[in-house]
Amino acid sequence: QLQLQESGPGLVKPSETLSLTCTVSGGSISSSSYYWGWIRQPPGKGLEWIGSIYYSGSTYYNPSLKSRVTISVDTSKNQFSLKLSSVTAADTAVYYCARQKLLGFFDIWGQGTMVTVSS
Amino acid sequence: DIVMTQSPDSLAVSLGERATINCKSSQSVLYSSNNKNYLAWYQQKPGQPPKLLIYWASTRESGVPDRFSGSGSGTDFTLTISSLQAEDVAVYYCQQYIIPRNTFGQGTKLEIK
Repeated sequence: QLQLQESGPGLVKPSETLSLTCTVSGGSISSSSYYWGWIRQPPGKGLEWIGSIYYSGSTYYNPSLKSRVTISVDTSKNQFSLKLSSVTAADTAVYYCARQKLLGFFDIWGQGTMVTVSS
Repeated sequence: DIVMTQSPDSLAVSLGERATINCKSSQSVLYSSNNKNYLAWYQQKPGQPPKLLIYWASTRESGVPDRFSGSGSGTDFTLTISSLQAEDVAVYYCQQYIIPRNTFGQGTKLEIK
């Protein structure tokens, strides 16, 4: 059964770079049928798609975050990663990684990791 | 951007009764080439990630109880829970994915009356 697990620091200082990794287990990240995405949810608020990546490295980003976001993939480790630069308190959120059916719906989600931006 | 607007923001329904949640998109999410509506529904319980319920507007994800159903086309969609169970208390989100910049509705909180 495919599982996703986010990992990374839970506290990031303002103006620094948030870095998270999603490890995929129970299946291959190199599937031709799926993209792999990052979604975030500020406390008590709704869901915001950040961006998605294909195993080949092709990426799509939310234009509102594009200038600060980099998503990369490491097929040898079955992982994909998120970097968000110049963070502010507004970036405080639970960050989820998820499997995305060809830039469509998200059918498998990680448990999420809370990231707080604070000095 | 395609803006997704859900109504109501919150809803209280008695156990065993029907619950209906609406989702309206600012542009059609119906792709004429395949006649598919690029619309999904998710359920999120407290402290948990969202769970996919419905995709293509009306296709139930494997393992989802058949009391959950999706309907609608174009810009107007509905998620219906035919007979509310206690475990259905959650926030429900719709999502459009007709364009790569997919967007979610603001969520509808469903409670027991």
